[in-house]
Amino acid sequence: GESVGLHLPTLSVQEGDNSIINCAYSNSASDYFIWYKQESGKGPQFIIDIRSNMDKRQGQRVTVLLNKTVKHLSLQIAATQPGDSAVYFCAEKDDTGGFKTIFGAGTRLFVKA
Amino acid sequence: KAGVTQTPRYLIKTRGQQVTLSCSPISGHRSVSWYQQTPGQGLQFLFEYFSETQRNKGNFPGRFSGRQFSNSRSEMNVSTLELGDSALYLCASRGLAGVQETQYFGPGTRLLVL
Repeated sequence: GESVGLHLPTLSVQEGDNSIINCAYSNSASDYFIWYKQESGKGPQFIIDIRSNMDKRQGQRVTVLLNKTVKHLSLQIAATQPGDSAVYFCAEKDDTGGFKTIFGAGTRLFVKA
Repeated sequence: KAGVTQTPRYLIKTRGQQVTLSCSPISGHRSVSWYQQTPGQGLQFLFEYFSETQRNKGNFPGRFSGRQFSNSRSEMNVSTLELGDSALYLCASRGLAGVQETQYFGPGTRLLVL
């Protein structure tokens, strides 16, 4: 089934601290995962992605970790800034006859100045 | 490059009416997908179009339909609107980013059904 949830977890961090946002995905056959950031009134914005043949990938201030054994994905944001406040979604790509992204419920990140 | 654009940005309709939303993908992108976002259900996939053909479809009733034109622009139509159709409708076009092709989202069209 699709990994869409109703409850939106919230993470509150102090500016300058590191943030870790976690996500569980549903389909063990998924081979591609994406993290998106959505600010109020905007569409989701691509942050970073990872293929299933990798367990870690780094970007600018962000790192994605993939644990296929427990179907778990995490996003680490270093030196969190107020501009990082948003809802973060993990997504898995379902390639059954096309390109379809299945989104998790999202995590709301609050950054305290 | 300009990003994905969607029109209109806001729309108010009444039950029973129909609505057409428009999406222009990033130049060069041939795949356009549509998603519905609501507080209760989150982001849900509607359908994907590639080269004017529907390639993938989510679990939505037949009242939701779409099409894609030869210039890759896409439209989504919802007929016989219901209150529960109130949502943010997001369009995404597919292109290369990160390790492989991924989706870039537009700002969305916020639809309110009264």
